[in-house]
Amino acid sequence: NAGVTQTPKFQVLKTGQSMTLQCAQDMNHEYMSWYRQDPGMGLRLIHYSVGAGITDQGEVPNGYNVSRSTTEDFPLRLLSAAPSQTSVYFCASRDPGTGIYGYTFGSGTRLTVV
Amino acid sequence: DQQVKQNSPSLSVQEGRISILNCDYTNSMFDYFLWYKKYPAEGPTFLISISSIKDKNEDGRFTVFLNKSAKHLSLHIVPSQPGDSAVYFCAASALSSGAQKLVFGQGTRLTINP
Repeated sequence: NAGVTQTPKFQVLKTGQSMTLQCAQDMNHEYMSWYRQDPGMGLRLIHYSVGAGITDQGEVPNGYNVSRSTTEDFPLRLLSAAPSQTSVYFCASRDPGTGIYGYTFGSGTRLTVV
Repeated sequence: DQQVKQNSPSLSVQEGRISILNCDYTNSMFDYFLWYKKYPAEGPTFLISISSIKDKNEDGRFTVFLNKSAKHLSLHIVPSQPGDSAVYFCAASALSSGAQKLVFGQGTRLTINP
């Protein structure tokens, strides 16, 4: 099925552990983004990429790293997890020609840091 | 500093009646406004959008109104159906650092009662 695939769906980490949230899309979209959703805060942009090899910071980038070596994949790395990073993470992608309403979101990764 | 605000965390409406979801924004540079619908354990899906040069956009049962002078937009759902029960996010788009980015509100949980 075409779309945005996020893995894992659920994860529990201990403070200080590292992990990578995976995001893959098979629609050949140039633009990809990572958001986190917290109660009362909506979705906030962490990092985004406008193409392979190009990434930039969003609103809340601290504690997260990204890289974009291929068009399909946009992994999000937590180098040293903190309880404040407990959240639901969404990856999204779009073709730049479809307009700002063209984002396709993955189903999310629920991360708990204890 | 929340640039997009949805001040009602929840809304309960009877089936068949009108649902009105509200959103306020502070940044006059926003050029597109969007509404997303989100079911539990799924990613947000695009519902309807409006350009900043328009004041109304309609798509079936969904209508979005934009009042630029008040920096306010609203989503009307008529008639409301049980399947409309979801969390609705208002989002706004602006060009920042060479890329179009979305800023989301906190979300409103809509419950349609039979």
